[in-house]
Order: sequence, then structure tokens, then C-alpha cells
Amino acid sequence: DAKTTQPPSMDCAEGRAANLPCNHSTISGNEYVYWYRQIHSQGPQYIIHGLKNNETNEMASLIITEDRKSSTLILPHATLRDTAVYYCIVRAVNTGGGNKLTFGTGTQLKVEL
Amino acid sequence: DVKVTQSSRYLVKRTGEKVFLECVQDMDHENMFWYRQDPGLGLRLIYFSYDVKMKEKGDIPEGYSVSREKKERFSLILESASTNQTSMYLCASSPGGGGYQPQHFGDGTRLSIL
Repeated sequence: DAKTTQPPSMDCAEGRAANLPCNHSTISGNEYVYWYRQIHSQGPQYIIHGLKNNETNEMASLIITEDRKSSTLILPHATLRDTAVYYCIVRAVNTGGGNKLTFGTGTQLKVEL
Repeated sequence: DVKVTQSSRYLVKRTGEKVFLECVQDMDHENMFWYRQDPGLGLRLIYFSYDVKMKEKGDIPEGYSVSREKKERFSLILESASTNQTSMYLCASSPGGGGYQPQHFGDGTRLSIL
């Protein structure tokens, strides 16, 4: 699976958009980009995933560059409850089981008043 | 919404005990996973299952076994608990087919072995 690079920490004012970058310059054609977050002492929460098109759901938007070498997770109106560690994962898929997830160090997002 | 429920949030056991961690999912997912998460080591896969009564070893299966008698339930067993198995244990599930579907996690069980 391709390696990802994320900034270790970011701050965001409540109500503003939080834009979390991820670099995955070695991504290959069959690899998806996934975003998860983990609030302290809880299990990881799935946010969104995509292959090459931009994606949006009720939680966030995922913007993938045309060359697929980087992506940005956008939380449009951050709240204090969005304070968490955000993980960007690039993963190849196969038709069998065992598609394990490997989390890097992620970005600690701190949303402040 | 997908619901993955782990039986305990916190558990304290003694060295040598046999420990059972239970996980139930309500979305009819084929795939289920057990991970452990430790500071500085990230997430590590212990076992996974892609069907009832099927199981596959992950990266760190030593000292663990699993059971999947029903599709919705996946149990992790510590045969003889040791202090180095103190950790956060996370269960996840995902639909079968394609392999691109995301995994959904439970809230975790923080297990302490004394």
C-alpha cells in the first residue's frame, strides 16, 4: 500500500472549514484513499473514501487531485466535537478478505472557540 | 448506520486467565476483523474472518484465537493472558465483495492484564 504523509497537527476555529491535507505521491491505479478519525479513547470512525473523483457525504468532502498524488479532507463547518486524530489511508483492494488497515500517525486536529 | 458493538469498554484480568472479547455487527457484513492498537505501534491486525467458520491469521496471531459461529458475531480469545497483551482491542466489519468497502469499527475494549 502507498505511504501517506500528513502534518502532525492543525488548529481550526469553530465554525470555519477545516482542510486536512494528505500526500500520497506513490499511489497506484487500484488504490483508494480513505479517511478515518479517532476521538480520544474511542474506536476509529470512517469518514469518506474515493478513487479519483471528488466525493461528498454528510460528514465531509474529499478532494483528490487530478494526478491522485494528494488529497484534502474538508470539514465544512468544524465544531469542537471534530477535535480528533485524522488518518489518511491509501489501500489497494482485492477480492478476498484481509484488507487490513494500516494507520500512520495522522493529523491531530484541534478545534477551538 | 453501521453498528459494531464490543461487549466491554474496559476489562481487567489476571495473568494466565482465558479471556473472551465479543463483537457483534448488525449490518450482515461478511468480513470481520480484530485489531489491537498500541501507542507508537499503530493498528495491528490479529485475525480476520470473511465468512462463518472461516478465519485467517493477521500479522500478530500468536497467543490469540478466534471464533465465528454466526455471521454477526466474532469472538477473540486470549488463551492464557499475559501482561504484554494489555492493549486497546478493536473489532471492525465490512461488506464482502470488491474489497474497497470501508471497515467500520466498534468503540474498543481497553484490556488490562495484571
